[in-house]
Amino acid sequence: DAGVIQSPRHEVTEMGQEVTLRCKPISGHNSLFWYRQTMMRGLELLIYFNNNVPIDDSGMPEDRFSAKMPNASFSTLKIQPSEPRDSAVYFCASSFKGGQGQFFGPGTRLTVL
Amino acid sequence: GQQLNQSPQSMFIQEGEDVSMNCTSSSIFNTWLWYKQDPGEGPVLLIALYKAGELTSNGRLTAQFGITRKDSFLNISASIPSDVGIYFCAGLYMDSNYQLIWGAGTKLIIKP
Repeated sequence: DAGVIQSPRHEVTEMGQEVTLRCKPISGHNSLFWYRQTMMRGLELLIYFNNNVPIDDSGMPEDRFSAKMPNASFSTLKIQPSEPRDSAVYFCASSFKGGQGQFFGPGTRLTVL
Repeated sequence: GQQLNQSPQSMFIQEGEDVSMNCTSSSIFNTWLWYKQDPGEGPVLLIALYKAGELTSNGRLTAQFGITRKDSFLNISASIPSDVGIYFCAGLYMDSNYQLIWGAGTKLIIKP
């Protein structure tokens, strides 16, 4: 198995632009998580999907952030409009069952100028 | 809210030394996970613990789920250069089936 796949690995954009991050979870996993990691705040859970349904989006910082999971093999995290304070590494993780044994992708390093 | 106290924050060791780090909480957890993160990569799951008192090994790594369900430790024996990185503990507490609580990480540095 290729593991969790994320794209792009790096994204540099200007303030105000729309950013879309993509994730392909491990096949057979029914839970998907989006995290954000910064030096100041560590790993923060943004949103959790179970069986493609958003269960908890309380970590999504603002309405500028949205996430979708149209099917079991694909999810997107969109930021519109982006701001410099959104600069961070965004990770997607998947697991077979909820919080147990989450497997992380390589992350997308986002820089908003 | 739920918190995990991970210590030490960083460790400077000589190659070949054994390493020990731990996480504690005032709350009860039903799962403990240990991850390692290399620069520019995502956290990699090292060991998962699901039962109080459980002791699990993965090569030179050994982790234990504390009997009180409020702590866990990770030991690395005979450290090698590739052990360098940041180690995170994460716990799944009793009232949730998905929300992991994360430690702040232990940065392992091997002295030249």
